[in-house]
Amino acid sequence: EPEVTQTPSHQVTQMGQEVILRCVPISNHLYFYWYRQILGQKVEFLVSFYNNEISEKSEIFDDQFSVERPDGSNFTLKIRSTKLEDSAMYFCASSLAGASTDTQYFGPGTRLTVL
Amino acid sequence: AQTVTQSQPEMSVQEAETVTLSCTYDTSENNYYLFWYKQPPSRQMILVIRQEAYKQQNATENRFSVNFQKAAKSFSLKISDSQLGDTAMYFCAFMKQDDKIIFGKGTRLHILP
Repeated sequence: EPEVTQTPSHQVTQMGQEVILRCVPISNHLYFYWYRQILGQKVEFLVSFYNNEISEKSEIFDDQFSVERPDGSNFTLKIRSTKLEDSAMYFCASSLAGASTDTQYFGPGTRLTVL
Repeated sequence: AQTVTQSQPEMSVQEAETVTLSCTYDTSENNYYLFWYKQPPSRQMILVIRQEAYKQQNATENRFSVNFQKAAKSFSLKISDSQLGDTAMYFCAFMKQDDKIIFGKGTRLHILP
């Protein structure tokens, strides 16, 4: 069964460093998402991406964040200058377009630890 | 704005018992989707069950079923014959068509041997 994959599973970085989190969505999916879950809190939407552009972003997704689909298969989230409060689990998700297939399938997540 | 409320932060039941997790939501939309996701200690998000708002019939997936009450904006999850592997955090979630998912705060479920 196709699945969303994410790398790395765990990333440790120093405050102020740039990180890139990678996701490979399910191959025929057209909508892509990033969500974040700070430890012990609920999952929060960051950004959605369709047709090579951002569809929607939350207030969390400030200028330090960017997303890209560089090669037609990968979907990346970049944090330009990490802060301590960026430590969280980051989930990528993808879905098919269309009214009948709107389930978002989540990847296993990347645990980001900012020191 | 849509909101999702899970009023039970934590629950414990004996193995093989049936347990019901509550969820209510608020929306002015007529067409939307509701989900229950399971998050085990590995923290992966696993889709348990999905309900389309236009369908009156409650969704079922093996031991998992929902009680969808559209007028009351209620979407509870029933787990029958609970197993130790059901121990996890369960998130109720709402989504408008082709839109982001809004999650509740979760219910931590412990299945006791």
